[in-house]
Amino acid sequence: NAGVMQNPRHLVRRRGQEARLRCSPMKGHSHVYWYRQLPEEGLKFMVYLQKENIIDESGMPKERFSAEFPKEGPSILRIQQVVRGDSAAYFCASSSNVGTYEQYFGPGTRLTVT
Amino acid sequence: DAKTTQPNSMESNEEEPVHLPCNHSTISGTDYIHWYRQLPSQGPEYVIHGLTSNVNNRMASLAIAEDRKSSTLILHRATLRDAAVYYCILSFVPFNAGGTSYGKLTFGQGTILTVHP
Repeated sequence: NAGVMQNPRHLVRRRGQEARLRCSPMKGHSHVYWYRQLPEEGLKFMVYLQKENIIDESGMPKERFSAEFPKEGPSILRIQQVVRGDSAAYFCASSSNVGTYEQYFGPGTRLTVT
Repeated sequence: DAKTTQPNSMESNEEEPVHLPCNHSTISGTDYIHWYRQLPSQGPEYVIHGLTSNVNNRMASLAIAEDRKSSTLILHRATLRDAAVYYCILSFVPFNAGGTSYGKLTFGQGTILTVHP
């Protein structure tokens, strides 16, 4: 049973470009969470999605960031017009829909903005 | 959100038991106690969780104080692979979404565990 997959693992973007981070949850999981870890800081919750719905985006910056989890395909975290402060590790996690509180994390995407 | 307090760092020798403490004096009755760990350059990994009773699994044991204001993660025999940042997290269910419930994880600074050979 494959775990949570994220790609790319490393992404370099110049200031002003767009970054698209992909997350494929574990098989059978319909809950997806995105977290961000800035250098030398802890993990911060960004957004929680179920299929085709954003449930909680209280941790998302108000501008430039968006997330989706379509009916088919991976969840996407999109960052428009990236700035140097967006450089961080972005982790995706998934959980099943049977009330478990265990979240399974992917290996992360390390975004570097030059 | 209820807060947790953990020591910044702890050290252990290989094959010895490790007791990682966590204080959560403002825990509410519906808060679950979770432990996750993050190995260097990896995503967090679920370790164990509990509500009131002590819990055991293949990775660790979780001892929860009777008043639930503190808990201890126990690694019975530390290995070099256990060197990681350990996070004690309280998770609650703020509302039901689409008929199911979920828990948003709020990570603190955690405890950096160093294991000496």
